[in-house]
Amino acid sequence: AQSVTQLDSHVSVSEGTPVLLRCNYSSSYSPSLFWYVQHPNKGLQLLLKYTSAATLVKGINGFEAEFKKSETSFHLTKPSAHMSDAAEYFCVVSARVNNDMRFGAGTRLTVKP
Amino acid sequence: DAGVTQSPTHLIKTRGQQVTLRCSPKSGHDTVSWYQQALGQGPQFIFQYYEEEERQRGNFPDRFSGHQFPNYSSELNVNALLLGDSALYLCASSGPTGNGYTFGSGTRLTVV
Repeated sequence: AQSVTQLDSHVSVSEGTPVLLRCNYSSSYSPSLFWYVQHPNKGLQLLLKYTSAATLVKGINGFEAEFKKSETSFHLTKPSAHMSDAAEYFCVVSARVNNDMRFGAGTRLTVKP
Repeated sequence: DAGVTQSPTHLIKTRGQQVTLRCSPKSGHDTVSWYQQALGQGPQFIFQYYEEEERQRGNFPDRFSGHQFPNYSSELNVNALLLGDSALYLCASSGPTGNGYTFGSGTRLTVV
């Protein structure tokens, strides 16, 4: 079985400051890990994915995440927040064996001007 | 290249009725998964279809059933609707590479 825990339900940053959204995972298999973003009344968009290649993964819009097996973490970061980054972010784990994906509860990112 | 298409986009049903939601996967994808996203929550896995069979199921009652057709499209059926079934229902497709899902925009179901 696999699951993810997003450690913060809400994160608020000022525009131009760094973003850190935290995610810990649990998986019986070597996991694939993903971050998705959901803007209000919109569908889910893939930001980035880890599938056993490089542990530092770069995604769209300047986001990146680092897979740390020893800490079972996959935190999402961005050096400088933009107003358009305000959205709900979901960390997702998948066991490669069956491709079943399980979502975290989400972190709402607010960006203040 | 069309992505995942869901229909209808919005639906209002009365408690006790039945509903069918439809999903066409992305070209080249053969696996379809359904998720329920209640307001303010993360998507919850309902079930996954592959080769016209239900391959995995989440913690949802038997009122939730599905089907996959030979062209890989899928339907989600919900019987005896409850007010608590009101949610955004997301369909996601994936292919043989196992690199994650492509999500549709969802069907917003309101049960009154």
